Amino acid sequence: DAGVIQSPRHEVTEMGQEVTLRCKPISGHNSLFWYRQTMMRGLELLIYFNNNVPIDDSGMPEDRFSAKMPNASFSTLKIQPSEPRDSAVYFCASSQLAGVDTQYFGPGTRLTVL
Amino acid sequence: TQLLEQSPQFLSIQEGENLTVYCNSSSVFSSLQWYRQEPGEGPVLLVTVVTGGEVKKLKRLTFQFGDARKDSSLHITAAQPGDTGLYLCAGAVAAGNKLTFGGGTRVLVKP
Repeated sequence: DAGVIQSPRHEVTEMGQEVTLRCKPISGHNSLFWYRQTMMRGLELLIYFNNNVPIDDSGMPEDRFSAKMPNASFSTLKIQPSEPRDSAVYFCASSQLAGVDTQYFGPGTRLTVL
Repeated sequence: TQLLEQSPQFLSIQEGENLTVYCNSSSVFSSLQWYRQEPGEGPVLLVTVVTGGEVKKLKRLTFQFGDARKDSSLHITAAQPGDTGLYLCAGAVAAGNKLTFGGGTRVLVKP
């Protein structure tokens, strides 16, 4: 089993640029989560999907952030325009069932916005 | 303000010593999970507790869920360098709800 796949693993960009993070969940999993981790704020849930439908996006910081899940095997998190305070590690996780089930995390994307 | 407060934030011990990490909240959780995260990787689930007062053991790790389901603890017996990592607790307020993570406890076990 390949696990959750995220790309890129590292991204360095300049302020104002668009950033797109990608995630491939584990096959057969119905829920997908996007998290952001920083030293100051810890691990925060940004948005999650059940069966490709966004259920709760209350953690999305502002309109600069958007997430899509066009099919069961792919999701994107886009930041446009990016700002230095967006620098963090972004994790994607998937679980088989909705709600509280084992979440399998990807390796994360380390984003640095200069 | 974190919904889940973990303490201590950092713990450094010698191999063979015991340690306890705490996870506290004023909210009641329907279930609580513990994860361990190693540098450069995502968190990995260790255990899920769902019943107040529940105790689960995983080799040298003992997890306890408080009677009121507001707090939890993780105890490691005879810690080993391989136990080094960031330990995160995560709670769900209601069944089927999303997880909220604590701030984490960074554990360093020195050989």
